[in-house]
Amino acid sequence: SQQGEEDPQALSIQEGENATMNCSYKTSINNLQWYRQNSGRGLVHLILIRSNEREKHSGRLRVTLDTSKKSSSLLITASRAADTASYFCATAAEGFKTIFGAGTRLFVKA
Amino acid sequence: DTGVSQDPRHKITKRGQNVTFRCDPISEHNRLYWYRQTLGQGPEFLTYFQNEAQLEKSRLLSDRFSAERPKGSFSTLEIQRTEQGDSAMYLCASTSRTGTGELFFGEGSRLTVL
Repeated sequence: SQQGEEDPQALSIQEGENATMNCSYKTSINNLQWYRQNSGRGLVHLILIRSNEREKHSGRLRVTLDTSKKSSSLLITASRAADTASYFCATAAEGFKTIFGAGTRLFVKA
Repeated sequence: DTGVSQDPRHKITKRGQNVTFRCDPISEHNRLYWYRQTLGQGPEFLTYFQNEAQLEKSRLLSDRFSAERPKGSFSTLEIQRTEQGDSAMYLCASTSRTGTGELFFGEGSRLTVL
């Protein structure tokens, strides 16, 4: 089963533009994570935000979390062609069971 | 390389055959997860272990699927009497008990059932 849904399902932007992806989830969480996956490869962890945090930054990434709305957003600033990948949010509740959403496919045109 | 290792990377089998995948997690990680991913979808949780104990098993995991982690180190995922619907990427991930919960993934084992 999958916990949440990402929006949009696919996003195509020009290099240099910002990309925003949203994630909604259904149950209470301990933390929310974002992962990246290049085609045919494993997932790579990008950033984790705890349930008591509202915003977190890491390089060109900015993540927000609204637990009242059960939603999160991932912003990638000044996107590059190399950012082309699928991005997944994942939520972890008690016991560290981690559930993934369906993902947003990002395409950055050079 | 000290990352998560999965073997084999690709497996083609005929319907009805049994297949086994192996995952070697990062050595100090005590939690190990198995996920299944089909094209265009996110990883679906199958099961996870803390040390050698299997803590939870998804309802997606029919009785044809079994996972073990006998000594709390490597894990195996066996699929018996494979069906075409089992064709997918099987992903393994591990994490440390003392960490934040960040999962470290292997490159996956792609199964094709003919």
